[in-house]
Amino acid sequence: DAGVIQSPRHEVTEMGQEVTLRCKPISGHNSLFWYRQTMMRGLELLIYFNNNVPIDDSGMPEDRFSAKMPNASFSTLKIQPSEPRDSAVYFCASSPFGGMNTEAFFGQGTRLTVV
Amino acid sequence: RKEVEQDPGPFNVPEGATVAFNCTYSNSASQSFFWYRQDCRKEPKLLMSVYSSGNEDGRFTAQLNRASQYISLLIRDSKLSDSATYLCVVKNQAGTALIFGKGTTLSVSS
Repeated sequence: DAGVIQSPRHEVTEMGQEVTLRCKPISGHNSLFWYRQTMMRGLELLIYFNNNVPIDDSGMPEDRFSAKMPNASFSTLKIQPSEPRDSAVYFCASSPFGGMNTEAFFGQGTRLTVV
Repeated sequence: RKEVEQDPGPFNVPEGATVAFNCTYSNSASQSFFWYRQDCRKEPKLLMSVYSSGNEDGRFTAQLNRASQYISLLIRDSKLSDSATYLCVVKNQAGTALIFGKGTTLSVSS
């Protein structure tokens, strides 16, 4: 299994530009999570999906952030317009749905720098 | 109060030392607990689940105290390769998502 695949690995963009991060979960996993990691705030849950349906987006910081999961094998996190404070590492993770001790598997992350 | 709190460290210990990390969580209804490990500039990976009766995996021992809402991780006979950030993780009340602490950094030196 290839694991969770994220692209791009690195992204440098100018303030005001649109940024789209992509994620391919592990095949057969029903849950998908988007996290953001910074030194100041640690790993924050932004949004998660079960069976392609958004369940909780209360962690999405602002309306500038949006996430979609059009099918079981693909999800996007979009920031429009981007700001320097959005600079962080964005992780996607997937998990089989259900089971209290179910592990989440992370992608390698996208390191976003907004200048 | 943050949902999951950890001492950020860093913990600097020599090889062979025993080191313990602690974590507290705010939601008494939480049912599942984990320790994840994150190496520098890498993604978090599951180290071990934490069970109510406590559990051990080689040099690693995890314990849970539900009354105090407290989780611990003990590492015996530290190795250089144990140097990493250790993340305390609690499943949310619905049991659907993982909530992470900010992590405790361990540096093991020779």
